[in-house]
Amino acid sequence: AQKVTQAQTEISVVEKEDVTLDCVYETRDTTYYLFWYKQPPSGELVFLIRRNSFDEQNEISGRYSWNFQKSTSSFNFTITASQVVDSAVYFCALKGNTPLVFGKGTRLSVIA
Amino acid sequence: DTGVSQDPRHKITKRGQNVTFRCDPISEHNRLYWYRQTLGQGPEFLTYFQNEAQLEKSRLLSDRFSAERPKGSFSTLEIQRTEQGDSAMYLCASSLPGASNNEQFFGPGTRLTVL
Repeated sequence: AQKVTQAQTEISVVEKEDVTLDCVYETRDTTYYLFWYKQPPSGELVFLIRRNSFDEQNEISGRYSWNFQKSTSSFNFTITASQVVDSAVYFCALKGNTPLVFGKGTRLSVIA
Repeated sequence: DTGVSQDPRHKITKRGQNVTFRCDPISEHNRLYWYRQTLGQGPEFLTYFQNEAQLEKSRLLSDRFSAERPKGSFSTLEIQRTEQGDSAMYLCASSLPGASNNEQFFGPGTRLTVL
């Protein structure tokens, strides 16, 4: 069975702080894909990144970076110098040979 | 706007009534997905189409739920004899042809409230 665990339900940080959102996954598939989505207060899920199981290179995109470690089945997401506009619910998701499975999300509040 | 669109955005209905939602995917996307999201949870997969063929259905999709995509473009999701437990946000997503792991692009959702 596929499972995604986002242990942090809510996180609050002060603007300009760095914050890391944790994601741990379970799968028996050898080929799988991991995703992060952002859901701002407006409700529409916004795609952030996709990573396949054979590519453990970390990725950086502006203030966002992702750390994929197969050894610990984790795909963590770091926002550097957080801004109020980063306030949203962030979902980690997994796709193997089954439909996309989402975690329960982490609600991030960035306080000015 | 070339994103995924959904209609209506909000629907309030009485228990026992039927409701139908519509999703228009991004035009070049041949895959279309329906999800349900309840408060404090991530989206849960309901069903998936490739063109007009419904290829997969979740156990969550009871007999009261039916989805169609008759011409391989827009899709409808109908819930018959609604129950209070059906109250949720219903999300539609679409993705490009090719690999099933392509990223999915989501619409704004239809929020259903069953009284």
